[in-house]
Amino acid sequence: EIVLTQSPGTLSLSPGERATLSCRASQSVTSSYLAWYQQKPGQAPRLLIYGTSSRATGIPDRFSGSGSGTDFTLTISRLEPEDFAVYYCQQCDTSPRTFGQGTKVEIK
Amino acid sequence: QVQLVQSGAEVKNPGASVKVSCKASGYTFTSYPMHWVRQAPGQRLEWMGWITPDTGNTRYSQKFQGRVTITRDISASTAYMELSSLGSEDTALYYCARVPAPSKELDYWGQGTLVTVSS
Repeated sequence: EIVLTQSPGTLSLSPGERATLSCRASQSVTSSYLAWYQQKPGQAPRLLIYGTSSRATGIPDRFSGSGSGTDFTLTISRLEPEDFAVYYCQQCDTSPRTFGQGTKVEIK
Repeated sequence: QVQLVQSGAEVKNPGASVKVSCKASGYTFTSYPMHWVRQAPGQRLEWMGWITPDTGNTRYSQKFQGRVTITRDISASTAYMELSSLGSEDTALYYCARVPAPSKELDYWGQGTLVTVSS
């Protein structure tokens, strides 16, 4: 099973700042099969990024993804008030399709 | 628009089974695999398994093998997830989510169904 470790656990930032979230895999993940999701309290997760760097439909361009192999990054270039949430990475490369433990982006 | 609407919250005794439904609309149900993911309080998301609606083929996480059954009713555009031998550790929000094959990410999610296991 591929274990995904996200860091940091919590990111305290102000609106307008840049957020950089990390997702590290215990073994190599095919770039086509790494996704990022956003989850707000009381809501289901929402797909943000798929295939490491492709934005899902309707996702603003302040969200970007990068990486390869075992190290992947989600960047939010300028935080908007609605971006404060928990973010999860997921690998869809091998079964079971595991998730990271999440990074909470909170208002500083 | 694509919608996945799940059944309501359930409270079950330990040892019982639960069956959660997920009704799809806004797209061709048989064209997209349906996955199930759960989220226990304070825990990470946990993938359980999936079904290919046109063939009924399923694949399950080894963790749930033998306890989970995913089925579908094509005429009702509905997928089902049944989990048996429930324990307190199965208390969680259960989500269905669609996969836009041949990609593998989860592009649309249901609203979640809370299953509480308590005596």
